[in-house]
Amino acid sequence: AQSVTQLGSHVSVSEGALVLLRCNYSSSVPPYLFWYVQYPNQGLQLLLKYTTGATLVKGINGFEAEFKKSETSFHLTKPSAHMSDAAEYFCAVSRISSGSARQLTFGSGTQLTVLP
Amino acid sequence: EAGVTQSPTHLIKTRGQQATLRCSPISGHTSVYWYQQALGLGLQFLLWYDEGEERNRGNFPPRFSGRQFPNYSSELNVNALELEDSALYLCASSLEVSAVVGETQYFGPGTRLLVL
Repeated sequence: AQSVTQLGSHVSVSEGALVLLRCNYSSSVPPYLFWYVQYPNQGLQLLLKYTTGATLVKGINGFEAEFKKSETSFHLTKPSAHMSDAAEYFCAVSRISSGSARQLTFGSGTQLTVLP
Repeated sequence: EAGVTQSPTHLIKTRGQQATLRCSPISGHTSVYWYQQALGLGLQFLLWYDEGEERNRGNFPPRFSGRQFPNYSSELNVNALELEDSALYLCASSLEVSAVVGETQYFGPGTRLLVL
């Protein structure tokens, strides 16, 4: 069974400061990992994903995440926060076995507030 | 290219009624996923359809059902509505490819269902 834990349901940073959103996963098979962002009253938008290959993944809007198998982590970072980054962020995992269930298992989400 | 579309955007029903939610996937995508985002419960997987067949369902009662049409659009039906069914229902689509490549689920804006 898979699970995702996002540490910190609320994170506040100042504009221009480093953004770090934490995600740890549990999976019995090598995972596919995703970060999605949800702006108020909208659906989910993909920020980035890790499947195989390079463990440092770059996404949209200056975000990146690093897959660390030894730590079972996939933390999301951005060097300098913008006011427009204020949103809820979800980490998710899916299985990769062909023919098996492919739905996403989501973490509980982290609400990011950017202070002026 | 048009994204995933969902209708209606908002739906108000009373307890015991039936609700029908619709989803049109991105052109060329064959898989449709439904998720429920209820307050305090996070994002939970409901159903997965691919090539017209139900491939997997989450831990929801049978009154949650759906189907996928030959054009790959999908319908979610919720019978005998209960107050706790009030939530944002998100649809996502993906193009099924081999496990090596991995898949990305693209989300629609959601249908907000309110049960009174």
